[in-house]
Amino acid sequence: SAVISQKPSRDICQRGTSLTIQCQVDSQVTMMFWYRQQPGQSLTLIATANQGSEATYESGFVIDKFPISRPNLTFSTLTVSNMSPEDSSIYLCSVVTGAGETQYFGPGTRLLVL
Amino acid sequence: TQLLEQSPQFLSIQEGENLTVYCNSSSVFSSLQWYRQEPGEGPVLLVTVVTGGEVKKLKRLTFQFGDARKDSSLHITAAQPGDTGLYLCAAFMIYNQGGKLIFGQGTELSVKP
Repeated sequence: SAVISQKPSRDICQRGTSLTIQCQVDSQVTMMFWYRQQPGQSLTLIATANQGSEATYESGFVIDKFPISRPNLTFSTLTVSNMSPEDSSIYLCSVVTGAGETQYFGPGTRLLVL
Repeated sequence: TQLLEQSPQFLSIQEGENLTVYCNSSSVFSSLQWYRQEPGEGPVLLVTVVTGGEVKKLKRLTFQFGDARKDSSLHITAAQPGDTGLYLCAAFMIYNQGGKLIFGQGTELSVKP
């Protein structure tokens, strides 16, 4: 298993500003992902954070809006840039350990953009 | 197009009732996972089913993987208010030398005392 922490846990931001969310894992993991989730709804994958190379973005998500860093095997950041109220959501970090297909999720960051 | 069709999306029942949540697809998966998410927290893995026809039990929860490995169900017996939450089925898709977890739409369950 893996223990994942996210910072901040929640934030209220003004439109036009940017927020960087941090994800820290207690062990080295093979894969890290960032998801977005509207309250009560399912998860939408934003991108796969690749260690040592550019993140792989899903359709509808671009690097300019959601730049991602992954400097090592235990840490990643997601930045939500030039925020608008439509970016209000829960952002979740997730990891896969070893060669398995089981994913573990962080507690999420609740973002409200005014 | 939703690769994993989950139903129902909302379910409100009384304590003690039974319920079943379905997760269907036209694709074959090597495994399928069920998660439960409570407000303010990330999803927590309940079970992974791997073998076609497999049945796994977790206390009052029974999970079944279809023989063809295209569908799965979650059955809760004698639901309790503590079962309230968002239930998500998910399957891991391999692509581009990596993979990603895809989710169903989720089932929002409310169990009233």
